[in-house]
Formats: sequence, C-alpha cells, structure tokens
Amino acid sequence: KQEVTQIPAALSVPEGENLVLNCSFTDSAIYNLQWFRQDPGKGLTSLLLIQSSQREQTSGRLNASLDKSSGRSTLYIAASQPGDSATYLCAVFSGGYQKVTFGIGTKLQVIP
Amino acid sequence: DGGITQSPKYLFRKEGQNVTLSCEQNLNHDAMYWYRQDPGQGLRLIYYSQIVNDFQKGDIAEGYSVSREKKESFPLTVTSAQKNPTAFYLCASSTYFGGAYEQYFGPGTRLTVT
Repeated sequence: KQEVTQIPAALSVPEGENLVLNCSFTDSAIYNLQWFRQDPGKGLTSLLLIQSSQREQTSGRLNASLDKSSGRSTLYIAASQPGDSATYLCAVFSGGYQKVTFGIGTKLQVIP
Repeated sequence: DGGITQSPKYLFRKEGQNVTLSCEQNLNHDAMYWYRQDPGQGLRLIYYSQIVNDFQKGDIAEGYSVSREKKESFPLTVTSAQKNPTAFYLCASSTYFGGAYEQYFGPGTRLTVT
C-alpha cells in the first residue's frame, strides 16, 4: 500500500527566504506526482505535475523535483512571499484512477 | 471558464437526516472523485467514477452513496448511517493525458451535522 509522508508538518519563514518542502513515498512504481496548494477552507489548486519519466518541473518561483528510485520529491519555493502562506500537499498516482495517495501536507507561513 | 463547482459551500443538518452534496464539472473529464478531509489527516477517497453509470467504492464508502447519470455531475449523499459526517468534502475530476493523471478540485463543501 502506497504511503506518502510530508516533512515538515509546519514551517515558518521570513519573507524572501528560499525554502524546500519534502514529500516521500513508499512505492516507487508511480505514474506521476502532483503538488497542490490549499488555502484555509478552500479546495486544492494544482501547482505542478511531474511525470515518472521527468526529473523536474518549473513554474515561476516554484520548482519540483522527482527522484522515483528513492521515493522522494521536493518542492522548492524561491523568494517566498506572504501570499505563499498555505498548506502544500503532494499526491502520488500509482496506477488506475483510484490509486491516488495524498500526504497530510506542510503548512507554510511566510512572515512579512 | 472550465472548472468544478460544488454547492453549497456550507451545509448544516440535524443528525439522522440524509443530505446531498452537489458536484458539477465542465472540463469534459471522464473520471470524478469524492474525498473527505479531516484535520490532521490526508484526503480520503469516498467514491470514484471512471465513466457515466459506473462508480466504485473508495476507502471510506460506508454511509455514503453516489450516482453518475451525467458526465458532468457526480452528487454525493451522506446518509444517516455515516457515523461521523461532519467534515470538509472535496469533489475532483481527472484526465489522463500523455501518460499522466492530473486532478482538478472543486472549492469544497463544509458539512456540519449536529
């Protein structure tokens, strides 16, 4: 059974700092991994999707990497801003429409 | 704009009553999902549907029911059999393209049962 762990559970940083969020998964046989952002009381917004054959994806100040063999993905946020404050979740797609496993998330606070 | 709508945003019910949460998508996606989110826990899959008139139980289907009569719609009924229905419910759809699955989420419905 796929298990997804996100570390740290919470993170507080000053504005402007670069930071890394971690996601690890136990079964390396994945189709792809997707990073989401969730604001309080809201739905999930897709940030980046990395296919199993890819090593990284970039969108603006965000960069996500994937090391399938070691079961790890990182989300790098450059020059953090208060507007980045949210919970970040990773989701691993292991095969089939039902095989999606989510981490609990990392709650990020960027202090002005 | 393409997307997923869920209504209502907040829902309050008395214990023992059934309640139906709405989910509509105009993304032309075949697959749709219902998740439940509780504090300190990851999203848990309630039901999913790959095509019209077909749906499968997820990890926590007990006390819930769904229908999929139209591609665009996937309503979730929380029945009185659900022991702890107060939670945040998220509807999602997904597409499979180029060897990857990508999920899209609605804004969620917060259900409170007293």
